[in-house]
Amino acid sequence: DIVMTQAPLSVSVTPGESASISCRSSKSLLHSNGITYVYWYLQKPGKSPQLLIYRMSSLASGVPDRFSGSGSETDFTLKISGVEAEDLGVYYCMQATHAPWTFGGGTKLELK
Amino acid sequence: EVQLQESGPGLVKPSQSLSLTCSVTGYSITSNYWGWIRKFPGNKMEWMGYISYSGSTSYNPSLKSRISITRDTSKNQFFLQLNSVTTEDTATYYCARSSGDAWGQGASVTVSS
Repeated sequence: DIVMTQAPLSVSVTPGESASISCRSSKSLLHSNGITYVYWYLQKPGKSPQLLIYRMSSLASGVPDRFSGSGSETDFTLKISGVEAEDLGVYYCMQATHAPWTFGGGTKLELK
Repeated sequence: EVQLQESGPGLVKPSQSLSLTCSVTGYSITSNYWGWIRKFPGNKMEWMGYISYSGSTSYNPSLKSRISITRDTSKNQFFLQLNSVTTEDTATYYCARSSGDAWGQGASVTVSS
């Protein structure tokens, strides 16, 4: 199975500052069709996961543009430019290029 | 707007089967792919499997032959059955559209005697 190594485990950010979360895969996630199937989710306390980014860098519908995704074949980053109070929760990366789909271990974002 | 809702027992005895239903409204399950994901105590998330618009399935090999995902298109529902459960199957179970943009609220399932 593909291992998704997410870092840091937790991050504490002052509202208005930027935050970055990293995810590294154990194998290239570039599909033969040219698409990189990396997703980013936010799970707010008591809620279901919500999609932020799909296919590595595409912003999901309704998601504020302070969220952005980037990466290469094995290294991926979620950036939040100007963290807001509503952004707290646990962030997950997930790959769907290779079966079985696998998740990173999660990054908890807290506010200072 | 598509909505998903999980339902089923919150407590299952070891060695028995866990059965959950995902009811979908606002979108036909004969389109797209529909999956089950679970979150264990702590933060670990596991993709369990999906059923496609045509009824074909794909499962996480870690669940071996214990898992089955089926559907009832007349009711726009799909189902999870996990056999021979142990305490390690205690988790919150989510159904979701496999594009990732629609999830149920989650069903907490405890395996305990």
